[in-house]
Amino acid sequence: EAQVTQNPRYLITVTGKKLTVTCSQNMNHEYMSWYRQDPGLGLRQIYYSMNVEVTDKGDVPEGYKVSRKEKRNFPLILESPSPNQTSLYFCASSSGMAGGSYEQYFGPGTRLTVT
Amino acid sequence: SQQGEEDPQALSIQEGENATMNCSYKTSINNLQWYRQNSGRGLVHLILIRSNEREKHSGRLRVTLDTSKKSSSLLITASRAADTASYFCATVPLNSGGSNYKLTFGKGTLLTVNP
Repeated sequence: EAQVTQNPRYLITVTGKKLTVTCSQNMNHEYMSWYRQDPGLGLRQIYYSMNVEVTDKGDVPEGYKVSRKEKRNFPLILESPSPNQTSLYFCASSSGMAGGSYEQYFGPGTRLTVT
Repeated sequence: SQQGEEDPQALSIQEGENATMNCSYKTSINNLQWYRQNSGRGLVHLILIRSNEREKHSGRLRVTLDTSKKSSSLLITASRAADTASYFCATVPLNSGGSNYKLTFGKGTLLTVNP
């Protein structure tokens, strides 16, 4: 089944404790992206990647890091989480321009709480 | 930065009625997409309309695009309780070369269909 998976689905952590949220897709998509969703603010893009080893900042990249060493994986790293990073996080992938299709496939979401 | 803005923020209708949601955007686009999100879950792509298209249909969905007014509408006909969800428009800017790495979402319309 074609899908985007994220782990963990729920995470409660403390300020300053480094964490990684994993994202994996099995559709051989070139493009992957991370969003955060907050009440009243909608979805905002954090980082995106157009291919292996090619990443760029979205609209709200501060406090986050990403890497794209393999095509299927795009982990989101919070080196020193803070309470304002409490949010619902979504990973998405798309075949993008190369595939001629622009629709994005979303993972189920990771609900992160930083205390 | 928000590109698309949906209107209304919330809409409540009875089963069998039609639901219309609007989206306005600010800059020229390559395409505009509509997504649906059930509470707290990942977004699901509904329909994509390109800048040179004026209307598109998919099942009970009808999307229109007016590039002169920088606006789009999503019509759901004969609504069902299962259509209850948040609906988001998302735009791909014209200067992106067609790739969707700068997909920008609006804040969404919460649709409630009462049985």
